[in-house]
Amino acid sequence: GAVVSQHPSRVICKSGTSVKIECRSLDFQATTMFWYRQFPKQSLMLMATSNEGSKATYEQGVEKDKFLINHASLTLSTLTVTSAHPEDSSFYICSAPGQGLYGYGYTFGSGTRLTVV
Amino acid sequence: AQKITQTQPGMFVQEKEAVTLDCTYDTSDPSYGLFWYKQPSSGEMIFLIYQGSYDQQNATEGRYSLNFQKARKSANLVISASQLGDSAMYFCSTGNQFYFGTGTSLTVIP
Repeated sequence: GAVVSQHPSRVICKSGTSVKIECRSLDFQATTMFWYRQFPKQSLMLMATSNEGSKATYEQGVEKDKFLINHASLTLSTLTVTSAHPEDSSFYICSAPGQGLYGYGYTFGSGTRLTVV
Repeated sequence: AQKITQTQPGMFVQEKEAVTLDCTYDTSDPSYGLFWYKQPSSGEMIFLIYQGSYDQQNATEGRYSLNFQKARKSANLVISASQLGDSAMYFCSTGNQFYFGTGTSLTVIP
């Protein structure tokens, strides 16, 4: 089945540095990628939607300059957390639509656990 | 805006027994889909089952079935013959995947 490969799975960075998270679609083209954030024991919150070749659409309250999204090709979307701070520590996960059973459902990456120290 | 409600923060079930996880939703869209996902402790989201709002029959996928009651706007997930590997968080979601419920933590007891 369709796979979205997400890297890194875990990252620890110092406050003030930037971290890039990659999501690659394997064996299919992902024209759209959704990026979510999940705090411990909470639900997934949609941060932004990236579309290949165009600017990402951010949800209300998400800082565009802090969470840079690039979708330069049909198989790669990236999220860069710039000038990370401890409050950015969270679980970040991406998903591509329409690759689940019978074309329904979304295929998710395995997630990235970011810890900012 | 759509809203998903999962009222059971935690559930326990004996191995080999069936369990029902509740989900209610609120949408004004005439046509929509409902999804259930499983999230093990490792974090990945695993798609389980889909129900279209116009589907006449309740969806089933192996041990998973969906008790869809459109008039009540509920889409409860039924897991039959629970296994230890079913222990995870379970999330209900609507069509465009923008909205997820708060999740239910299921623990299967040996």
